[in-house]
Amino acid sequence: AQSVAQPEDQVNVAEGNPLTVKCTYSVSGNPYLFWYVQYPNRGLQFLLKYITGDNLVKGSYGFEAEFNKSQTSFHLKKPSALVSDSALYFCAVRDTGNQFYFGTGTSLTVIP
Amino acid sequence: NAGVMQNPRHLVRRRGQEARLRCSPMKGHSHVYWYRQLPEEGLKFMVYLQKENIIDESGMPKERFSAEFPKEGPSILRIQQVVRGDSAAYFCASTVTSGGADEQFFGPGTRLTVL
Repeated sequence: AQSVAQPEDQVNVAEGNPLTVKCTYSVSGNPYLFWYVQYPNRGLQFLLKYITGDNLVKGSYGFEAEFNKSQTSFHLKKPSALVSDSALYFCAVRDTGNQFYFGTGTSLTVIP
Repeated sequence: NAGVMQNPRHLVRRRGQEARLRCSPMKGHSHVYWYRQLPEEGLKFMVYLQKENIIDESGMPKERFSAEFPKEGPSILRIQQVVRGDSAAYFCASTVTSGGADEQFFGPGTRLTVL
């Protein structure tokens, strides 16, 4: 069965420090992996995706994610966090049946 | 190009009433997904539709819930005889194609409150 795990409900990081939001997945076949961000009372916004090719994917707002096939991980990263990055982050995987599976979300708080 | 539209943004219903949630996908998108988000929880898949077809409704309760995506007009998620446990944010998302690596585009959500 396809699934996505975000092991941390909450991540706190100081402004200017690097941030990592973790995601691991389980999917049969080659995965399509996604990161979305949700601000309060808003819908999800697409950040980036991995299809194939380079394991390091760059996305919106300075975010990037590293695909690691051996560890089945797709961690979201940013070299220098901003207060405005504080939001809820969702990892997702798409299977060949066209359904998307979302993690439970990680709440990121960037402390000024 | 307008994004995914959902209306109403907020809906208040009393127990036993019906709730109708509407979703207009992005122009050119013919695939629609509905999700439910409860406080402090992630997104729960409900149903996946194409025009005039329900492709996957495995996440939708078999009673009281129904969804459609007609040839013309928005997709509708209908909840009959609402109960307090139906209070949640309901999100619609659309994609261009049925396969490949297309990302989903989400609407702003409808926040349903059942009194």
